Parts: sequence; structure tokens; C-alpha cells
Amino acid sequence: QSALTQPRSVSGSPGQSVTISCTGTSSDVGGYNYVSWYQQHPGKAPKFMIYDVSKRPSGVPDRFSGSKSGNTASLTISGLQAEDEADYYCCSYAGSYTLGVFGGGTKLTVL
Amino acid sequence: QVQLVESGGGVVQPGGSLRLSCAASGFIFSSYGMHWVRQAPGKGLEWVAFIRYDGSNTYHADSVQGRFTISRDNPKNTLYVQMNSLRTEDTAVYYCAKAMGLSVYAPLDYWGQGTLVTVSS
Repeated sequence: QSALTQPRSVSGSPGQSVTISCTGTSSDVGGYNYVSWYQQHPGKAPKFMIYDVSKRPSGVPDRFSGSKSGNTASLTISGLQAEDEADYYCCSYAGSYTLGVFGGGTKLTVL
Repeated sequence: QVQLVESGGGVVQPGGSLRLSCAASGFIFSSYGMHWVRQAPGKGLEWVAFIRYDGSNTYHADSVQGRFTISRDNPKNTLYVQMNSLRTEDTAVYYCAKAMGLSVYAPLDYWGQGTLVTVSS
């Protein structure tokens, strides 16, 4: 099972919006509505941000939103803040054999 | 609050073995599936293994199939992974993570801080 494809890096200024894409196949992203997103600051454990494509766990600001079209999922962060600077990983259920596949990660820089 | 604390990491020679543990607290451990996820230095996340809430089924990534075994001890609220025939490419921080629900596709809602495994001669 290959990793999902994410851009290596994205950037935006405070207050702007950025979108991070996550491209898979019909065997993972396109086949199930079980895409999740994780935020990871340097040296820290990942933090759960989005699940089931577009649902937000309690405590996650509504500036974070998720969507999916075909084999590509997306994470949009609006009203960028300095603390949003981190690595972001998507993850998709990939069937009953290989349960989960992660994207390669995207480094978000807040300019 | 949910806490997951990994232990057992260290330096091991290629071909060696290591067992990692993850002590869980703050939730009903026996009611949730659990995962191991690893991250090689400077690299992305890689799913390693999953075990159902009652230990009835386990799943392992192709990269560790036949070498790693996930298990759990529900009375002790502890998750394990036995790692045999270790290779240099297994060098990584290993995280345990709690599944949000019972299903195999439930997302990972809480993560430990990780334990570093270094495979080197």
C-alpha cells in the first residue's frame, strides 16, 4: 500500500486561508469516507484534527475544515494563526487488510 | 484525562528483539481498539499495527508482518508490540494511539509521546 500524496509544503500569511491536498486511490481515499487529519508540532506527538472526512473533534477550532472529492481529500485552515505552523498528515482507511495509510506530510509555514 | 505512556525503546543490533509497552489510563482500555504508529527520523507517519478491543483480531502492516506482533493485556491496561528480526529501517519513534471507537476504521484520537527505537550495530 503506497502512502497518500501530499504537497511537501504550503505557506500563508496570518489571517489567510490555505488548503492541503491528500491524493490516494479508489482503494483508500476514494473508496471510503474515513479520512482523518493530524497536526504535529516539532518534537511532539500528533494531534487529532479531523475525522470521517469533515468532522471536527471537540476542542478543534472551526477554522479547520475537511472535504473530499473523488480520490482527493483536503484540509482547509482559514484565518491562519502563528500556532498553526506545523506538519499535517492525512490518513485513510484502506480496507480490511491494510487498515490505515498515511500521507507523506505537509509542512505549513505561517509567513 | 486520557494518558498513553510508551516505554521499552532503546538501541538494539540488527536481528535483535525488543518489546515496547504502552500504559493506558483515563479511559476504559478494554473498550477500544489500539494502534502502533511509527515515525522514522525526519520522515512521515507509518501505521504499524492494530488490535481490536478484546484482542480477538490483529492487523499488521506488510513492512512488519511476520516480525512484529501486537498484543494487549486488558486487566493491566497495557498495549504491547513484540519486535523481532529488527532491521535498520525499523529505527523510529514508536507511538501508541487509541482508536476513537470499536470499528477497524475508527480514527486515532489520542496519542502517546512515543519511544525511540534505534537499530544499529
